[in-house]
Amino acid sequence: GAGVSQTPSNKVTEKGKYVELRCDPISGHTALYWYRQSLGQGPEFLIYFQGTGAADDSGLPNDRFFAVRPEGSVSTLKIQRTERGDSAVYLCASSLRQDYGYTFGSGTRLTVV
Amino acid sequence: KQEVTQIPAALSVPEGENLVLNCSFTDSAIYNLQWFRQDPGKGLTSLLLIQSSQREQTSGRLNASLDKSSGRSTLYIAASQPGDSATYLCALTWGGKLIFGQGTELSVKP
Repeated sequence: GAGVSQTPSNKVTEKGKYVELRCDPISGHTALYWYRQSLGQGPEFLIYFQGTGAADDSGLPNDRFFAVRPEGSVSTLKIQRTERGDSAVYLCASSLRQDYGYTFGSGTRLTVV
Repeated sequence: KQEVTQIPAALSVPEGENLVLNCSFTDSAIYNLQWFRQDPGKGLTSLLLIQSSQREQTSGRLNASLDKSSGRSTLYIAASQPGDSATYLCALTWGGKLIFGQGTELSVKP
């Protein structure tokens, strides 16, 4: 597609529920990144895929968070047993090569009540 | 560990002023540096990308500079307009991923 697409744009869930957030990168971009942004803060790195594999998942806060990219294109960020502290905007970015920079999607605003 | 700091955290200026936003980083071994704009409730829009071998990039009224040796980048906005009001984020590629500063919230008053 022309840009990075993230769905849903907004998600409200109850504490303890499971959620999935989807990212559809720019066609042909092999690198895909997930970030989390809390109010008034810069985005924080969660996980980075190169192709189908997670090249760096050092930013995932705990084992409730998991992400997949089974065919090297669309990625899904999965959060189990959601907590109120998980409320944030989750951003996805893709890149063809590092020296071409990164393109971000509009994000998914997750609210855990 | 790489730390990115943006000063000031917030800035309010009258329309027409030239202004400078600052970004500093602790590890100079960066691959490149990118400035983004973020409007309230929106995603990130890329403004300028500077490779580690470059000193500056320009786009319209925007000019970004990079000094790796001192660990600094600046974003210069000429003749500011109310439409420039947004949060400006600097991010650098380090260790294979983007590391962001906390942003500068800019308000340009008509």
